[in-house]
Amino acid sequence: AQSVTQLGSHVSVSEGALVLLRCNYSSSVPPYLFWYVQYPNQGLQLLLKYTSAATLVKGINGFEAEFKKSETSFHLTKPSAHMSDAAEYFCAAVNQGGKLIFGQGTELSVKP
Amino acid sequence: DAGVTQSPTHLIKTRGQQVTLRCSPKSGHDTVSWYQQALGQGPQFIFQYYEEEERQRGNFPDRFSGHQFPNYSSELNVNALLLGDSALYLCASSPGGRKQETQYFGPGTRLLVL
Repeated sequence: AQSVTQLGSHVSVSEGALVLLRCNYSSSVPPYLFWYVQYPNQGLQLLLKYTSAATLVKGINGFEAEFKKSETSFHLTKPSAHMSDAAEYFCAAVNQGGKLIFGQGTELSVKP
Repeated sequence: DAGVTQSPTHLIKTRGQQVTLRCSPKSGHDTVSWYQQALGQGPQFIFQYYEEEERQRGNFPDRFSGHQFPNYSSELNVNALLLGDSALYLCASSPGGRKQETQYFGPGTRLLVL
């Protein structure tokens, strides 16, 4: 069965520092992968998605993610963290039936 | 262009009661999926509706049922509520046809079962 694993339930960085949130997937077929962000008491907002067109995917708010098939990874990065980036981040994969499978989430804290 | 909307925003029920949650998809979308997000966890897939039929279902009991209307809006019904049903219920919509289209989420309905 397809699964998504996010390493680290909580990540803390200083403002201006690099953000790296890790995601690994298990799939027997090339997956469609997504990163969503959830601010407190809100729904999920799409950050970016991978659909096999390019391995480096750029999203909103300066985030990007790189698909590495050899490592079954889809890590999310941002060169310089901003206070407004503090939120919960979810990596997800969609199976062939259209079901989104989410990781457990990573809470990002940004220190001034 | 309105995004995905859900109602109500918050709901308090007692054990054994029944609840109905509503979702209107984004304009142009005809597929609706429902997810349950317990506190501190990732969303869990409940089911997906397309062309008024349940297309796929997650590991949820039959107490969870749904419906999709001709205008593509959808309802999620939960019978015989348990304390463990307390969660944020998220609705997501996507354009029909291809099952792996991007899903866009509504703000959710927060259900508290006492």
